Amino acid sequence: GAGVSQSPSNKVTEKGKDVELRCDPISGHTALYWYRQSLGQGLEFLIYFQGNSAPDKSGLPSDRFSAERTGGSVSTLTIQRTQQEDSAVYLCASSPRPGRNYGYTFGSGTRLTVV
Amino acid sequence: QQQVKQSPQSLIVQKGGISIINCAYENTAFDYFPWYQQFPGKGPALLIAIRPDVSEKKEGRFTISFNKSAKQFSLHIMDSQPGDSATYFCAASDGGTSYGKLTFGQGTILTVHP
Repeated sequence: GAGVSQSPSNKVTEKGKDVELRCDPISGHTALYWYRQSLGQGLEFLIYFQGNSAPDKSGLPSDRFSAERTGGSVSTLTIQRTQQEDSAVYLCASSPRPGRNYGYTFGSGTRLTVV
Repeated sequence: QQQVKQSPQSLIVQKGGISIINCAYENTAFDYFPWYQQFPGKGPALLIAIRPDVSEKKEGRFTISFNKSAKQFSLHIMDSQPGDSATYFCAASDGGTSYGKLTFGQGTILTVHP
């Protein structure tokens, strides 16, 4: 596609439920990143994918968070047993190759609200 | 641990004025410093970036100033326009991380009044 697509754009869920957030990167982009943007905070790194593997998942805040990427394309971020502190905007970005020389293209994000 | 500190949190400028946003970092391994611009409901977009081998980089009305010894860098927006109203994030990358992981500041909400 023309840009990074994320779905849903908004998600309201009850505390304790599981949620799945989807990211469709730009076609051909091999590097994919997930960041979290909490109110009043900067963007917090969650996980990086190169192809289907995740060499760096150091930013995942707890074992309730997991992510996968299939076919070197679509990625899904799953949050189990959601808590109110998980409320944030989850941003996905992709890059043609790994490395800052190529720049990120961000999607518009999924706004998650846990009630 | 917040490795990139950004100020101010919010900034109001009159049209035609200069907007200045400052960032400070702690990690001396950082060697790439981009600025991102984010409009409401959109993802951040790369605005301008600098490496520490230069002290200033200018692109149109946007200028990054970099002070390596002070571990500080700033974004200057000249002749600010209402269309510049957005949230601005500074960021930094460690050259030892090959895949371009970025550490972001907290963001500055810029409002330019007409």
